[in-house]
Amino acid sequence: QKEVEQNSGPLSVPEGAIASLNCTYSDRVSQSFFWYRQYSGKSPELIMSIYSNGDKEDGRFTAQLNKASQYVSLLIRDSQPSDSATYLCAVNKDDYKLSFGAGTTVTVRA
Amino acid sequence: GAVVSQHPSRVICKSGTSVKIECRSLDFQATTMFWYRQFPKKSLMLMATSNEGSKATYEQGVEKDKFLINHASLTLSTLTVTSAHPEDSSFYICSAAETEAFFYGYTFGSGTRLTVV
Repeated sequence: QKEVEQNSGPLSVPEGAIASLNCTYSDRVSQSFFWYRQYSGKSPELIMSIYSNGDKEDGRFTAQLNKASQYVSLLIRDSQPSDSATYLCAVNKDDYKLSFGAGTTVTVRA
Repeated sequence: GAVVSQHPSRVICKSGTSVKIECRSLDFQATTMFWYRQFPKKSLMLMATSNEGSKATYEQGVEKDKFLINHASLTLSTLTVTSAHPEDSSFYICSAAETEAFFYGYTFGSGTRLTVV
């Protein structure tokens, strides 16, 4: 079992719709969780971090964490063409090392 | 916010030569830096953890004699790909950790596209 698994893409959504991205992790000792956005040919940029159960909202982005289910998700509301990118879920254990999922590619159709 | 500078952004080298990549934290001190490699359409794979003033810790399967890491100061870590071969062609990315990064996230450098011909 992979440490971090993301829903397989690609995910295509119309402009203005909600994009929903899912991520599960295998190690229960994981403590903090991140969503990174990566445009083609560029390095990842941090969108959201979350470490407490529940929802965390930042602008059009909402991260949800459920440690009991070992599940973290990212919702992108009012999707824009500029949101078209690969979204990487990353999980931090207790050693400062990040484990990344394979990524989900999102395409927002104008 | 935290800024990590990585240089060069692109490099083409001949097979058998060595290439050095620099990673600098510009506005904070980073006791720990990480080096990743990313192949096309693949996720980031951690190569090694660089600790200031001590030897780097390499992930399983990463040749430490081939990928030399030096973290000589709190703001600079370097990765040297020695005797590069075409299979080393990849996107190399560094990240640096502030104290709060454990909960608030790490900042990545802009990456280095290495092509070995």
